[in-house]
Amino acid sequence: RKEVEQDPGPFNVPEGATVAFNCTYSNSASQSFFWYRQDCRKEPKLLMSVYSSGNEDGRFTAQLNRASQYISLLIRDSKLSDSATYLCVVNIVTSNTGKLIFGQGTTLQVKP
Amino acid sequence: NAGVMQNPRHLVRRRGQEARLRCSPMKGHSHVYWYRQLPEEGLKFMVYLQKENIIDESGMPKERFSAEFPKEGPSILRIQQVVRGDSAAYFCASSPGMLKETQYFGPGTRLLVL
Repeated sequence: RKEVEQDPGPFNVPEGATVAFNCTYSNSASQSFFWYRQDCRKEPKLLMSVYSSGNEDGRFTAQLNRASQYISLLIRDSKLSDSATYLCVVNIVTSNTGKLIFGQGTTLQVKP
Repeated sequence: NAGVMQNPRHLVRRRGQEARLRCSPMKGHSHVYWYRQLPEEGLKFMVYLQKENIIDESGMPKERFSAEFPKEGPSILRIQQVVRGDSAAYFCASSPGMLKETQYFGPGTRLLVL
């Protein structure tokens, strides 16, 4: 079983649509959580951190459920520029190390 | 404040040659991480270094791969006797210091082994 699993893509949606991505993680040592965005296999860029209380940044809302080990990302009013691969990422932290574990990524294609 | 720098951006090697990938972290960052992204796959952790120390190399292949982060200069990921399966994008990330800090990624080095 993969440590971080994401919805299989691709998601093809029209402009203005609302789209939701889901992610589950298996390692209970996961301590912080993120959504990154990757365009055309360029470097991943941090989209937002994810907190249990939920957090919102403009059209983007992220949610974490620690009990279910589940992370979500909601994008409202999709723009063409939102087309990218969205990576669910957990930070595994132990006493002396920390590393990011990436999901496979979900591809979003927003069409006019 | 310059971001994470990586060079070269593209590297072509023939089987059996050596590849050296360099990473300069963001100013003020003392922690460096290397990740590899094989074609059609997600990013995979390779190694975590602080200045002059390897903290976690659990993701590094046991043979041919090594990494260092000297007191002065960039971090180096070295691949000896490259094989076609080493062809991938290699990303470096840095963070200021605390383990939970956000990691910022460089533009990556695309390695192609012929």
